[in-house]
Amino acid sequence: QQQVKQSPQSLIVQKGGISIINCAYENTAFDYFPWYQQFPGKGPALLIAIRPDVSEKKEGRFTISFNKSAKQFSLHIMDSQPGDSATYFCAASKTGTASKLTFGTGTRLQVTL
Amino acid sequence: GAVVSQHPSRVICKSGTSVKIECRSLDFQATTMFWYRQFPKQSLMLMATSNEGSKATYEQGVEKDKFLINHASLTLSTLTVTSAHPEDSSFYICSASGRSTEAFFGQGTRLTVV
Repeated sequence: QQQVKQSPQSLIVQKGGISIINCAYENTAFDYFPWYQQFPGKGPALLIAIRPDVSEKKEGRFTISFNKSAKQFSLHIMDSQPGDSATYFCAASKTGTASKLTFGTGTRLQVTL
Repeated sequence: GAVVSQHPSRVICKSGTSVKIECRSLDFQATTMFWYRQFPKQSLMLMATSNEGSKATYEQGVEKDKFLINHASLTLSTLTVTSAHPEDSSFYICSASGRSTEAFFGQGTRLTVV
């Protein structure tokens, strides 16, 4: 059962544009929602994470928007750069499970010049 | 962030042999480590969860006799792929977690079985 659905599967954005990736979850027990960036042949690296007590979190060019009632959260990358070209995974976990993450299917982002 | 070192980054082995992958937390005590498998252009699939000093918990469909996991200390977990076959070729990734919820990932190991 896919508990975290991610879209789109791939995304092409021009340099300077806004990249938006969406995720939806089913398990209402989830209370930690991180986003990971993965370059080819490398392990995922944590970008930014949010908990349900806030609706938005911003770190530099990266913003998470969280809608608890809709069970959705999204990643916005402002002023997208070619160096942002990577695969992005959303994930979810619940407190007490020691970071047992359920991953989304991933979004391959390509930022063009 | 904390550093998790995974070794080797790439390994090629012959069919029927075993290969060991190490995952070390360099600057924190990892009470829990996770092992994932990732096929090309796909997401990470959790294989097993290991807590220091206890037996690993395997996800449904993962053969525990084929994928041996040892978490003997708070800084080291190993995954041994026994009697490897070409279908075991994949990208294996570990992650480690201490007291916080955050998980730190290793660099991954590309296993090719020929």
